[in-house]
Amino acid sequence: QLTQSPSFLSASVGDRVTITCRASQGISSYLAWYQQKPGKAPKLLIYAASTLQSGVPSRFSGSGSGTDFTLTISSLQPEDFSTYYCQQVKSYPLAFGGGTKVEIK
Amino acid sequence: EVQLVESGGGLVQPGGSLRLSCAASGLTLSDHYMDWVRQTPGKGLEWVGRTRDKANRDTTEYAASVKGRFTVSRDDSKNSLYLQMNSLKTEDTAVYYCVRGMRVTTVFYGMDVWGQGTTVTVSS
Repeated sequence: QLTQSPSFLSASVGDRVTITCRASQGISSYLAWYQQKPGKAPKLLIYAASTLQSGVPSRFSGSGSGTDFTLTISSLQPEDFSTYYCQQVKSYPLAFGGGTKVEIK
Repeated sequence: EVQLVESGGGLVQPGGSLRLSCAASGLTLSDHYMDWVRQTPGKGLEWVGRTRDKANRDTTEYAASVKGRFTVSRDDSKNSLYLQMNSLKTEDTAVYYCVRGMRVTTVFYGMDVWGQGTTVTVSS
């Protein structure tokens, strides 16, 4: 089970944003992060907890291992206002976190 | 360009059946782990099931919520993935995505290619 926090956050362009994901048991670095915009499929941002997927801007970063993980956006851009999900890929079922919606302040 | 296109969604009564299809282009499905993920209206994501690649004998895994009712399969001659859904319940109402499991060497790390989704509504 994965618990994301916060479930909602309001931020301004240029802000540094941090989203956390906590696993109920250790998953090493088997964690992925996704971005989803309304009406669209999710997009893979980060895998193996900290590896940036090809084509993803460097303002996105991930960290953590074991049970505690973080997604950071160093300087929020207008196109980053979306919902973000974490997912553990260590064992079945391949659970997703509940999501964090990032909205414009 | 790698592309996954789902079809087959629609309105079905509780207890009914439906088969979703996912046509692939730009990749050979039998070389990859392939998943179905669903998203209920206004809510989050739920992994549904998986078929592994041919090298891993096309073995499958399912979420507890669908095990025994849903079946993931693949037709390599058509390069297509399927999700057979039986004994449908109202709580199966969702957008269903066909997804590629991304592996680096032999380790699965995430889901890197998603279809646009197809909507399934289970209602009387």
